[in-house]
Amino acid sequence: EVQLVESGGGLVQPGGSLRLSCAASGFTFSNYVMSWVRQAPGKGLEWVSVISGSAGSTYYADSVKGRFTMSRDNPKNTLYLQMNSLRAEDTAVYYCAKGDVTLIEPIYGMDVWGQGTTVTVSS
Amino acid sequence: DIQMTQSPSSLSASVGDRVTITCRASQGISNYLVWYQQKPGKAPKLLIYAASSLQSGVPSRFSGSGSGTDFTLTISSLQPEDVATYYCQKYNSAPQTFGQGTKVEIK
Repeated sequence: EVQLVESGGGLVQPGGSLRLSCAASGFTFSNYVMSWVRQAPGKGLEWVSVISGSAGSTYYADSVKGRFTMSRDNPKNTLYLQMNSLRAEDTAVYYCAKGDVTLIEPIYGMDVWGQGTTVTVSS
Repeated sequence: DIQMTQSPSSLSASVGDRVTITCRASQGISNYLVWYQQKPGKAPKLLIYAASSLQSGVPSRFSGSGSGTDFTLTISSLQPEDVATYYCQKYNSAPQTFGQGTKVEIK
């Protein structure tokens, strides 16, 4: 069964740091683009970042650029999101999602999602 | 950056009704458009990719159309289990922006 399981969420003070993990199983992890998407309470989906299968390319939303770093450990089938300088507006459920085999003109969408992990930034 | 605008933001329809949701891109994105369904408390689910291709396992009452800047998601006969929020997403290049969502309810 293809599965993604996020972990690492929690309560953190403004200015603090947190690292999210996403454990993948049931598919050849290194072959696929992976993304992080977040959803603030009562709000819509917000794309956060994307990484190529080889980890050679990463892209970020302007709202997190310079503060968040996305990475992956292909032998461990794990995706990461290092979040620094956290702000109240980063409070959200964070989802990891499996995408295409390529970042170049992808078409297939994000077909597998984790259950999400909640990050709360508050003093 | 390209902006994605959905309309309406919410709608209420009867079981069996045909429902149409529109998504407009601020610049042309060819057919690099996907649609997701999200039920309360759940992760999003992929419905349509490449603007009009139905994801495996998705009921055939869902369909997508459009190219360039204007796209449509249609539910041909609304069912109670279709109550959800629907999002479009531009998918060709970063940032892979989502629309703001359309909440669908049963009248």
